[in-house]
Amino acid sequence: DAGVIQSPRHEVTEMGQEVTLRCKPISGHDYLFWYRQTMMRGLELLIYFNNNVPIDDSGMPEDRFSAKMPNASFSTLKIQPSEPRDSAVYFCASSTGRNNEQFFGPGTRLTVL
Amino acid sequence: DAKTTQPNSMESNEEEPVHLPCNHSTISGTDYIHWYRQLPSQGPEYVIHGLTSNVNNRMASLAIAEDRKSSTLILHRATLRDAAVYYCILRDRGTYNTDKLIFGTGTRLQVFP
Repeated sequence: DAGVIQSPRHEVTEMGQEVTLRCKPISGHDYLFWYRQTMMRGLELLIYFNNNVPIDDSGMPEDRFSAKMPNASFSTLKIQPSEPRDSAVYFCASSTGRNNEQFFGPGTRLTVL
Repeated sequence: DAKTTQPNSMESNEEEPVHLPCNHSTISGTDYIHWYRQLPSQGPEYVIHGLTSNVNNRMASLAIAEDRKSSTLILHRATLRDAAVYYCILRDRGTYNTDKLIFGTGTRLQVFP
């Protein structure tokens, strides 16, 4: 299995631009999580899905952030408009079953200038 | 939510055992103790978890105090590849919050040759 796949691995953009991060979970996993990691705040859960349905988006910082999961094999995290404080590493993770081990992708390093 | 306390950093020499402590004095009866680690420039990865009894797997051992207010992750023979940040996380299987992983600051383990 290829594991959780994220793209792009690195993204550099200018303030005000739209950014879309992509994630392909492990096949057969029914939970998908989006996390953000910064030096100041550590690893934070932004939102998670179960069977493609958003369950908890209380970690999404503000309305500029949105996430979708149109099918079981694809999810996006969009930031519009992006701001320098959004610079971070964004991780996607998936799991099978609510209590089970989460498998993390390699992350997308986002830099907003 | 029950919280965990870990030392900020620890050091070890290669091939020596490492004992990583975690305090969770407010742990509830339905909290499982999970450990994840994050190698440099990678996403977190699952290490081990337990409830009351000590647990062993190919990566590590987990020793849980009788009162469950503390636990220790044991790496039997540290290798350079074990240099990472280790996170001790409580997951409450009694509530929906078990879906979430709440990461603290973790312990940064350095391994010297």
